[in-house]
Amino acid sequence: NAGVMQNPRHLVRRRGQEARLRCSPMKGHSHVYWYRQLPEEGLKFMVYLQKENIIDESGMPKERFSAEFPKEGPSILRIQQVVRGDSAAYFCASSPDLNEQYFGPGTRLTVT
Amino acid sequence: AQSVSQHNHHVILSEAASLELGCNYSYGGTVNLFWYVQYPGQHLQLLLKYFSGDPLVKGIKGFEAEFIKSKFSFNLRKPSVQWSDTAEYFCAVSSSGSARQLTFGSGTQLTVLP
Repeated sequence: NAGVMQNPRHLVRRRGQEARLRCSPMKGHSHVYWYRQLPEEGLKFMVYLQKENIIDESGMPKERFSAEFPKEGPSILRIQQVVRGDSAAYFCASSPDLNEQYFGPGTRLTVT
Repeated sequence: AQSVSQHNHHVILSEAASLELGCNYSYGGTVNLFWYVQYPGQHLQLLLKYFSGDPLVKGIKGFEAEFIKSKFSFNLRKPSVQWSDTAEYFCAVSSSGSARQLTFGSGTQLTVLP
């Protein structure tokens, strides 16, 4: 069973561009979480999704950020009009049953 | 709102020394507790977890943690560290609510000298 896959692993964007981060959960996992890790900080929860539904987005910035988990395909975290402060590592985790989360390798976003 | 405090940002030990990393959380309800490890260049891996039952939890690679409810603590221990334990360690908490998102501490970087 392959682990949680994230791509790209590294992403460089200029200010004002869009960033799209992808997460493929483990097989059989229907719960997906996104976390952000800023430099020198721990991971911070952003959003929790199940297939086709956003369940909890209380950690998402109000503007420019969106997430989806379509019926087919990976979960996408989309950041529009990126700014330097968006530079961070973005981690995806999946879970089969809400009890234990399995993390992907992360996407390191650098905004220049 | 939940919060997690890890008191030590960087710990340096020699091989065979004993390890204890502190973790305290703030939350009024029932919690699930976790320790994750991130080895250099790798993704987060679960070391151990506590949901209920025996407050002394044993995890992988010789690690254990003790849940002390009265102190809101979940400290990680290992009696004898190895060079390969060099990594960053994160304590995390989730509530028993529907979303179960994790609240992480800021992490402790452990360096083990050979």
